[in-house]
Amino acid sequence: GAGVSQSPSNKVTEKGKDVELRCDPISGHTALYWYRQSLGQGLEFLIYFQGNSAPDKSGLPSDRFSAERTGGSVSTLTIQRTQQEDSAVYLCASSLDVPHSRLRNYGYTFGSGTRLTVV
Amino acid sequence: KQEVTQIPAALSVPEGENLVLNCSFTDSAIYNLQWFRQDPGKGLTSLLLIQSSQREQTSGRLNASLDKSSGRSTLYIAASQPGDSATYLCAGINAGGTSYGKLTFGQGTILTVHP
Repeated sequence: GAGVSQSPSNKVTEKGKDVELRCDPISGHTALYWYRQSLGQGLEFLIYFQGNSAPDKSGLPSDRFSAERTGGSVSTLTIQRTQQEDSAVYLCASSLDVPHSRLRNYGYTFGSGTRLTVV
Repeated sequence: KQEVTQIPAALSVPEGENLVLNCSFTDSAIYNLQWFRQDPGKGLTSLLLIQSSQREQTSGRLNASLDKSSGRSTLYIAASQPGDSATYLCAGINAGGTSYGKLTFGQGTILTVHP
């Protein structure tokens, strides 16, 4: 598609349930990011996928969080045993990443996010 | 560790004013710097991208500058309009080390332009 697509746009779940959030990046973009934005807070980095390299998971807040990227395209962020503090907007971004090529003009395109509410 | 700071945190101006939003970063090892706009309840919209080799970019009423040596970027909005009301975020794209490629965001400037 023309942009980054995230689904669902809104998700309400009960505390303790598992949820899956989906991100469809722009076709051909090799870099994919997940960020979290809590109410009134800035953007928090969660995880970064780049091509076939091992993902950078350094931002995941706990082992209840995991993410996969299948076939270098679609990504799924899974939160197990959700807690109320997991309530936030989860944003996905993709980029045409060209390492070591400072002459290439690349930036990040964000999806509209998934608003997760844990009750 | 890259830290990005935006000043002011909030700004309220009457329509028609020219204004400047400031962004500073602690690590000059960035590839590019990107300015985004976020409307309430929405995702991020990219406004301008400045490559590390560039000093400024312009799009319509927006002009963004980058000074890597001083670790600063500014976003200039000319002839502000109520439709410009949003949160403006700057983000550095880290150039190396374990943070390669990561976007590091500032906390944003909440802009309100009133008629």
